Amino acid sequence: EAAVTQSPRNKVTVTGGNVTLSCRQTNSHNYMYWYRQDTGHGLRLIHYSYGAGNLQIGDVPDGYKATRTTQEDFFLLLELASPSQTSLYFCASSADRVYEQYFGPGTRLTVL
Amino acid sequence: GEQVEQRPPHLSVREGDSAVITCTYTDPNSYYFFWYKQEPGASLQLLMKVFSSTEINEGQGFTVLLNKKDKRLSLNLTAAHPGDSAAYFCAVSAGNYKYVFGAGTRLKVIA
Repeated sequence: EAAVTQSPRNKVTVTGGNVTLSCRQTNSHNYMYWYRQDTGHGLRLIHYSYGAGNLQIGDVPDGYKATRTTQEDFFLLLELASPSQTSLYFCASSADRVYEQYFGPGTRLTVL
Repeated sequence: GEQVEQRPPHLSVREGDSAVITCTYTDPNSYYFFWYKQEPGASLQLLMKVFSSTEINEGQGFTVLLNKKDKRLSLNLTAAHPGDSAAYFCAVSAGNYKYVFGAGTRLKVIA
């Protein structure tokens, strides 16, 4: 069973704050993704990566940076958090682009 | 780019009834299709994956139909039970690392 973990599970910050969300997968998957989930929008892709040091821009990248430090670890950075970034964030990994994605448990972020 | 429309956004059925969720997509090059289930407060779990070389896939208690001509994907729960209450999402990919998700269907099965 594929394993994807995320930390923290919940985070509250203030407007202008600096936040880092972490994701680790132990499946030797090449591809990792960051999504945000908002009611009425489903999952929207923020950034993705197909290997250590690689970063690709997703569909809603504004206000987010990401870094893939190793094959296992993918980080999402919000350097100046805004209330519009209050959301549920999911990390996912997949072995290849034609395979299903395995999702982490999610991080609920609240920006006051 | 690819756009996916999922209908209905909310669905309520009685136990034992069938439930149908439909996604329509725009990119004719889409080849990989997925259905995910998300129970309340939980993450997404894969329900079924479909490649466009097949049109009908059956799982435990459900059937997935793919109509390539109309660019429509559907999930049919044949006899819903309360354990099926969850949010369901379709995802579509043309094999370019990106998956486009539908907005989701919140299904409630009433005992």
